[in-house]
Amino acid sequence: DQQVKQNSPSLSVQEGRISILNCDYTNSMFDYFLWYKKYPAEGPTFLISISSIKDKNEDGRFTVFLNKSAKHLSLHIVPSQPGDSAVYFCAASAHNNDMRFGAGTRLTVKP
Amino acid sequence: NAGVTQTPKFRVLKTGQSMTLLCAQDMNHEYMYWYRQDPGMGLRLIHYSVGEGTTAKGEVPDGYNVSRLKKQNFLLGLESAAPSQTSVYFCATSFLGLLGGNQPQHFGDGTRLSIL
Repeated sequence: DQQVKQNSPSLSVQEGRISILNCDYTNSMFDYFLWYKKYPAEGPTFLISISSIKDKNEDGRFTVFLNKSAKHLSLHIVPSQPGDSAVYFCAASAHNNDMRFGAGTRLTVKP
Repeated sequence: NAGVTQTPKFRVLKTGQSMTLLCAQDMNHEYMYWYRQDPGMGLRLIHYSVGEGTTAKGEVPDGYNVSRLKKQNFLLGLESAAPSQTSVYFCATSFLGLLGGNQPQHFGDGTRLSIL
């Protein structure tokens, strides 16, 4: 039972353009959402988060949008850079110690 | 990730063998976690610890045991390895647990385990 879903296994964009990564969840109790970035042979690193009391959080080139009614969140990267090429994981928790992760989306930014 | 160190980085086991994965952190974090990552599945929580001497089950605990004898170390044990346990294992830590305040987790670089 995958409660957090990333339906696009991969995404390819041109350098300088916008990258939009999507994530859907099924558990309405989730109230904290995060995005992690992972390079090969390394562990995931925290990128940005959002609480359910907000609908947008921005940090530099990265913005996360949360649509609670649709149970959907997205990560926007503008402008995309080749160094952004990585696997991006969406994660969610319901104020317990059980965080659920999506399967990841591999982003490739072409020069 | 210098703060969370996993040992070993790679290991090949035969079915039925046992082994222990070590996670060591120097960030003085109370909370520690063990995840496994499988293709198409994302990361799934195996066990976690909210402090020295405590452990709890996560989403997929069967076939694994853990111990947290010291605050800085979290051990994951496989008593009798099975091919289904072939995976990449990640350890993570956080300053406050998800229950006590939403803090991101810091991950180690993983242990790739193959069981033949």
